[in-house]
Amino acid sequence: AQRVTQPEKLLSVFKGAPVELKCNYSYSGSPELFWYVQYSRQRLQLLLRHISRESIKGFTADLNKGETSFHLKKPFAQEEDSAMYYCALHGGATNKLIFGTGTLLAVQP
Amino acid sequence: EPEVTQTPSHQVTQMGQEVILRCVPISNHLYFYWYRQILGQKVEFLVSFYNNEISEKSEIFDDQFSVERPDGSNFTLKIRSTKLEDSAMYFCASAVDRTGNTIYFGEGSWLTVV
Repeated sequence: AQRVTQPEKLLSVFKGAPVELKCNYSYSGSPELFWYVQYSRQRLQLLLRHISRESIKGFTADLNKGETSFHLKKPFAQEEDSAMYYCALHGGATNKLIFGTGTLLAVQP
Repeated sequence: EPEVTQTPSHQVTQMGQEVILRCVPISNHLYFYWYRQILGQKVEFLVSFYNNEISEKSEIFDDQFSVERPDGSNFTLKIRSTKLEDSAMYFCASAVDRTGNTIYFGEGSWLTVV
């Protein structure tokens, strides 16, 4: 079964501290993994996709097929990073996104 | 930058009433979706729509739900007879292709059934 697991509902860090938001997935084929961010009262926005191996707003995420993980990392958190972060999987045969439950990142001053 | 727009942003309706949520996808997109998020829960897929027909739907998308693209620009979700448990944020999304790389979401319509 296709599943995305985000074990932490809330992650609270201080400004300048490193951040790692965990995401594990279950998928039998070759998945496409994404991170979406939702700032307060705003829409879901695509943050990162694994195929592009990019860094957006200082965030990176590496797909680890051995551990079936796609953790989101940032070396130095900023207050404006405070938001809800969703890991999502897109399976090739089925044209839909499967979301994790989300992690609320709270960056304290 | 083009955006997916949704109306209304918030609707309160009585149980048993019909509700229509409207979406205007990005103009050159071909794939359309509805997702919902019950308060405190994860975002869940409801339905995908392509070439004027449903391409996939979830177990949630029962006979009370229907989608339509009546005029080539709007994409609507109709809930025929709302239940309390339909209270949720409903997100419309559209995409150029089916790779998952181009899915853009609207701001959501918050539906409260009382």
